[in-house]
Parts: sequence; structure tokens; C-alpha cells
Amino acid sequence: NAGVTQTPKFQVLKTGQSMTLQCAQDMNHEYMSWYRQDPGMGLRLIHYSVGAGITDQGEVPNGYNVSRSTTEDFPLRLLSAAPSQTSVYFCASSYKAGGPPNNEQFFGPGTRLTVL
Amino acid sequence: AQSVSQHNHHVILSEAASLELGCNYSYGGTVNLFWYVQYPGQHLQLLLKYFSGDPLVKGIKGFEAEFIKSKFSFNLRKPSVQWSDTAEYFCASGSARQLTFGSGTQLTVLP
Repeated sequence: NAGVTQTPKFQVLKTGQSMTLQCAQDMNHEYMSWYRQDPGMGLRLIHYSVGAGITDQGEVPNGYNVSRSTTEDFPLRLLSAAPSQTSVYFCASSYKAGGPPNNEQFFGPGTRLTVL
Repeated sequence: AQSVSQHNHHVILSEAASLELGCNYSYGGTVNLFWYVQYPGQHLQLLLKYFSGDPLVKGIKGFEAEFIKSKFSFNLRKPSVQWSDTAEYFCASGSARQLTFGSGTQLTVLP
């Protein structure tokens, strides 16, 4: 199993550009989530999904959209990038649709995004 | 809303020293607590987790944590650190469908 994969690993955008961060898992996990990691702030939940077709907002959803058309994929879209979205983005998944607290979340390697 | 506090932002120790990293959570209901580690350039890995039962939880690589409900604490410990333990450590609290992370503690172990 490849686990949780993310592409790209690095990305530089200009303010106002749009892009999609890809996340895929091959473990048949129902729960998937996106976090951003900023220095001194830990990881903050952006959006999550408990199954195909079901998504919900986390702590910091503004400026981001998600969709979950398949169990395997959970892309994160930035519609109009802003410098405040410069961060490291992690995708994670866990087995049960209930997600945490009862299951370990497996994290991807991250995408380092810079918005100029 | 839940919150998780990690008191130490940066800890520097010599090899063989003992380690204790503080973590306090705010949620008063049923909690599930985790410690994750992020080695330089790598993604987060689970060190240990607490759901219920014995409040002393043992994890990988010789780490352990003690859940003290009366203090809302879940401190991470290791009796003797190694240079390879240099990493950032995150405490997290889980409830409903979300994990709430602390701000992290950077541990540097000097050889």
C-alpha cells in the first residue's frame, strides 16, 4: 500500500491564482481530512469528509473548497490564492466514517505552498 | 470549542536526559488523546493514544504518557532520550469528527 499520497510536494502561486492540491489513499478509509500547518500554531483542520459525497467544514475553511466523489480521492481547491494561505498542507485519513476519536489518522507527506 | 495547550515551544536536552512534555486539553466530556511526532522533513506519525482504561499509556520508541483527568493533562515522557528523538511533538485531542492539535514542541537532543 502507498498509504496517503499528496501532490505536488511544492508549489508557488501568485495572488489570485487557483490550484488544486491532490490527496489519495489506497487503504479504503472512509474518513479523510485536510490540515494546514503554520509555525507556532500546530495543525488546524480545514475540511473533512466521512465518506464519498459527504464533506464538512473544520476550523479554518474560508478560501478552500473540497469534494469527495470517490472513497480514494479528496482534493483541496484554492479558488483565489492569498498570501495568508502560504502554509504546509497535510492530508490525512482514517478507517471509520466516524474518524477520530477512535481511529488513528494516517498523514500524507505534505504540500508546501507559497503564495506571492 | 476544544483547545489543546503545549507549554514548551522548544526543549533542548542532552542524550540520556529524561524528557517530559506538557499537554493540557480543555474538553470536559469523553476525550481521546494522542501524541504525534514529526521528524525533520517527514510527515506526522502516531506515538501513542489514549481512549480509556489504564491512564498510563505506552507507545512506540520508549515513549509513554499519563492521562490525569483531574488536571486535564496528558504529558509525554521518556526516561532517556536519544539524538534520533530530535523532532517536533504534537499533542491532540479528538472528539466528534475532529482532531484538535496543540501548537507543538520542538525537541532538540544534543549528542
